[in-house]
This record gives sequence, C-alpha cells and structure tokens, in this order.
Amino acid sequence: DVVLTQTPPTLSATIGQSVSISCRSSQSLLHSNGNTYLHWLLQRPGQSPQLLIYLVSRLESGVPNRFSGSGSGTDFTLKISGVEAEDLGVYYCVQGTHAPYTFGAGTKLELK
Amino acid sequence: EIQLQESGPGLVKPSQSLSLTCSVTGYTITSGYDWSWIRKFPGNKMEWMGYISYSGSTNYNPSLKSRISITRDTSKNQFFLQLNSVTTEDTATYYCANFGYWGQGVMVTVSS
Repeated sequence: DVVLTQTPPTLSATIGQSVSISCRSSQSLLHSNGNTYLHWLLQRPGQSPQLLIYLVSRLESGVPNRFSGSGSGTDFTLKISGVEAEDLGVYYCVQGTHAPYTFGAGTKLELK
Repeated sequence: EIQLQESGPGLVKPSQSLSLTCSVTGYTITSGYDWSWIRKFPGNKMEWMGYISYSGSTNYNPSLKSRISITRDTSKNQFFLQLNSVTTEDTATYYCANFGYWGQGVMVTVSS
C-alpha cells in the first residue's frame, strides 16, 4: 500500500499566520492517465471531513482561496495563506492513484 | 445539492456482522462517482474500506479480505456496507462518501 507521510503532526498558528503542511508519498502518485490523484481534506471538530483541494491543486467549489495545493510525483504541500479561526481542525492528504486508497495520519491545526 | 446519510446500529457484538446504509439525495448513484465507505478509528487514523461504482462494480481494501461487501439498491438510491466477523478493532466512525460529499458519520462500537 502507498504510505503518505504528513508533517508536522501538529501545527500551532496565530490568526493571520501562513502555514504549510507536507505530504510525502512512498511512490509516485502520477497515474498512467496523466492525473495525480492527491487530495486534501479538513475535518473540523464535530464535523465530517470536507474536500478542500483535489488533483493536487484544484480548489473545491466554495473553498476560500487562502487554501492552495502544490507538488508533483511524491511531494505535495497544502498552504494556508492567513489562517482564520474556522480553519482549525485536522487536515488529511489522501491518494486515489493506487488502490487501496490511503490517507496521511493527519495534521492537527490549533491556535497558538 | 448532494447529501449522504448513514444509518445503522451503533452497537454490534463481536463475531457478528455490521450493516450500514447510506441514503443519497440530490444525485442518482447510477449517474456517476464511486461511492465509498471510509472509517475513522479512535484517534485520527482514516481507512478507505471500498467502493461501489456508478456502474455497480466494486473495489475493496485487501486489508478487509473477504469480510466486506458493498451493495446497492438503485430503486432507493442507497448503498450498503456489510462487514462480517467484527472484532473490537472495528470500532470506529463510519462514513459514506464520494470524497467530495460526505455523510455525517455513524459511530459503531463493537462490544459484548
């Protein structure tokens, strides 16, 4: 199975601070069809996960543009440009290139 | 708007079967998407269990071996999870999702 290594496990931030989360894959996530099925989710406390970014860098409808995704191959990054209070929760990367689909261990974003 | 809703018992005895239903509204499950079951264990670990595609084909996580079955009732626009021979390690919150849309989750405890 593909292992996704997320760092850091915990992130403390102040409102307005920009932060990044890394997701490294044990193998390339470039599919033979040319797509890279690496997505980012946010699970706020008490809520279901929410899709933020799909296919590495595409912003899901309704998601604020302070969220951005980048990367290729095995290295990917989620950036939040100016954390807001509603951004607190656990962030997951998830890959859908290789079955079985797998998740990173999560990064908990909390207020400093 | 697509909405998903899980239903099923919150308590299952060891060695018995876990059965959950996902009711989908706002979209016909035969029109597109892969419809997945995903679980979150106590802590942050997420596991993709499997999906049934819009065409009816299935794909399961090999870690669940022969214990899992995902089926559907297209007349009710529902899909189902059955997990056999459960143990306490199957205690988790179970979500149905197509990654872009998620149900609210149902907490299932395996205990005698």
